[in-house]
Amino acid sequence: DADVTQTPRNRITKTGKRIMLECSQTKGHDRMYWYRQDPGLGLRLIYYSFDVKDINKGEISDGYSVSRQAQAKFSLSLESAIPNQTALYFCATQAGTGGNQPQHFGDGTRLSIL
Amino acid sequence: DQQVKQNSPSLSVQEGRISILNCDYTNSMFDYFLWYKKYPAEGPTFLISISSIKDKNEDGRFTVFLNKSAKHLSLHIVPSQPGDSAVYFCAASLGGSQGNLIFGKGTKLSVKP
Repeated sequence: DADVTQTPRNRITKTGKRIMLECSQTKGHDRMYWYRQDPGLGLRLIYYSFDVKDINKGEISDGYSVSRQAQAKFSLSLESAIPNQTALYFCATQAGTGGNQPQHFGDGTRLSIL
Repeated sequence: DQQVKQNSPSLSVQEGRISILNCDYTNSMFDYFLWYKKYPAEGPTFLISISSIKDKNEDGRFTVFLNKSAKHLSLHIVPSQPGDSAVYFCAASLGGSQGNLIFGKGTKLSVKP
C-alpha cells in the first residue's frame, strides 16, 4: 500500500461546484503539504500544516481551504471551483524540521474544471 | 520572481553517457537543495540532496554539485539508463523552522537506448 494516498485520482467537475481532495498517510509524519502543478511549471505550495492544530497559507492559497482532521489526514477544498484551478494536485508529508528531511509525495489528483 | 530556475525544459542523452541537469537559484538563504524525479502518473520521488555547506554529494550513479558563488547546482547521472527517463525537479529549502520547498519548473530527461 502507498504511504501517501490521494483520492480521487481523477476528477472532472463543473464551474461553481465544491470539491474536496483527500490525502491520508501511514508514515506517521507531522508535516503535510498541498501543492499544485500546472503544465510547464514546477510545484507551487497551496497550504501546509505542521501538526493537527497548525495550518499555514502557502504561495497560492486564494480560492482554497484545508482541514487537518488528524495527523494522518489533510484535505484540500475548492469552495467554488473555477476553470483556472484545473491542475494536477499533490499532497506531501515530511518527517520533521530541516531542509534535509525530504518530502514524500502521493501520486496526485488530476482535476479538470469545465 | 523565480527563486529556483531550471532553464532547460528538456535534455536528450544516449544510454551509457553522462546526463547533466542544471539549476540556478537567487536566494542565498537556502540551506538545502534537493532533486526529485517524477514519472508520468506518479508523484515526485526524492533522489538526492545537498547541504549548502557542502559542494558535492554522491549516491551511486547520482552526484550533485553545488557552486555557491555562482548560485548554481547540477545533477550528474553516470551512466545514464533508459529507466532514468523522467522529469527532474530541483528544489530548495529555506530551512529554520520551515520545511517548505521551492521548486524549479523541471527538466524532462530522455535517455535513448
